[in-house]
Amino acid sequence: GQQLNQSPQSMFIQEGEDVSMNCTSSSIFNTWLWYKQDPGEGPVLLIALYKAGELTSNGRLTAQFGITRKDSFLNISASIPSDVGIYFCAGPTSGTYKYIFGTGTRLKVLA
Amino acid sequence: EPEVTQTPSHQVTQMGQEVILRCVPISNHLYFYWYRQILGQKVEFLVSFYNNEISEKSEIFDDQFSVERPDGSNFTLKIRSTKLEDSAMYFCASSVQGWNEQFFGPGTRLTVL
Repeated sequence: GQQLNQSPQSMFIQEGEDVSMNCTSSSIFNTWLWYKQDPGEGPVLLIALYKAGELTSNGRLTAQFGITRKDSFLNISASIPSDVGIYFCAGPTSGTYKYIFGTGTRLKVLA
Repeated sequence: EPEVTQTPSHQVTQMGQEVILRCVPISNHLYFYWYRQILGQKVEFLVSFYNNEISEKSEIFDDQFSVERPDGSNFTLKIRSTKLEDSAMYFCASSVQGWNEQFFGPGTRLTVL
């Protein structure tokens, strides 16, 4: 079946650093969603992307919909301790409302 | 701000028992979903529901699972005869359209003993 691969799998960064992560697929997506999940809680929507090439910001977060429609990128600027968590990309498989989630990037911020 | 709610937050059951997990989606949303997340793993799609019927389901969503919208506000997931491997967090989500942003509830932790 379709898979969304995220990299890196995990990362430790210093507070104040910028973070980049990406999500890739072998198939085309028409929607990319980025979520953050804290332990024991539900995913929280960060950014939604609907158009190839689209660049959207939400505070310190910026996400881009790759022009090939097979990838997406999330950047976090000037990280803070509360950015700790797991970041997931997600999207509906082509022609369906069946969403798949990426493998996740675990972010740890060192104060 | 409107949010998806789920009850109970934690359900413990014996293997073979039936469980019903409940969700109240955001009120103007038309599409509803259930997902499962086994501890430490990614979120997995189970089923989507629109216009009082299932629109998509995954291979995980076998005959032991069913969904229902019994009234105008609740959306339920029933597992008929629970197995040990059904232990997971179950998340409900809803969206206005089937292709746009989904909002998740806080989840129900299901433990099957």
